[in-house]
Amino acid sequence: EAGVVQSPRYKIIEKKQPVAFWCNPISGHNTLYWYLQNLGQGPELLIRYENEEAVDDSQLPKDRFSAERLKGVDSTLKIQPAELGDSAVYLCASSSGAGGSPHEQYFGPGTRLTVT
Amino acid sequence: DQQVKQNSPSLSVQEGRISILNCDYTNSMFDYFLWYKKYPAEGPTFLISISSIKDKNEDGRFTVFLNKSAKHLSLHIVPSQPGDSAVYFCAAGIDNYGQNFVFGPGTRLSVLP
Repeated sequence: EAGVVQSPRYKIIEKKQPVAFWCNPISGHNTLYWYLQNLGQGPELLIRYENEEAVDDSQLPKDRFSAERLKGVDSTLKIQPAELGDSAVYLCASSSGAGGSPHEQYFGPGTRLTVT
Repeated sequence: DQQVKQNSPSLSVQEGRISILNCDYTNSMFDYFLWYKKYPAEGPTFLISISSIKDKNEDGRFTVFLNKSAKHLSLHIVPSQPGDSAVYFCAAGIDNYGQNFVFGPGTRLSVLP
């Protein structure tokens, strides 16, 4: 079974430029998460989707960040314009909400963003 | 204001010995807890979970203990192996409140051969 796929793995951009990250969750997983992870810290939730609906985006800085999950499968996270402080690893995760550990989230490898 | 704390940024243990990683939380509404392990350049991988209806859950070499009154949980790894060297995150959430979990800052475990 393929895991959560993210691309690109690494991205270097200049400040004020736009950037987009893509995530393909595990097949059949209805719940998709985007997290931000700064160095030395744990993942912080940005947005959670149940199918195509964003059920929690309270931590998403909506002035510059946007996300979509059309058709309830793949998702894209965008930053426009990027700021120096956005340099971090952006993690995507998915879960099925079923099974022995219903809250188990499967994470992708992340996209490391560097804003110069 | 961190709701989930892992006060030891790092821990070194000799191979074969027990590793104990600690986690404290402040929100008394949290009733479901997860431990994740992360290798460099990879995403976190799920290790073990525990619901507040239990005080212990065991899976092979990994055991999680929960002390609700102290708002404290710990992960025990016995025996520790060099391949266990990684960053360990605990995460806490509310079981019936969707699936949002708050992660701690992580503890870097080094198992020395």
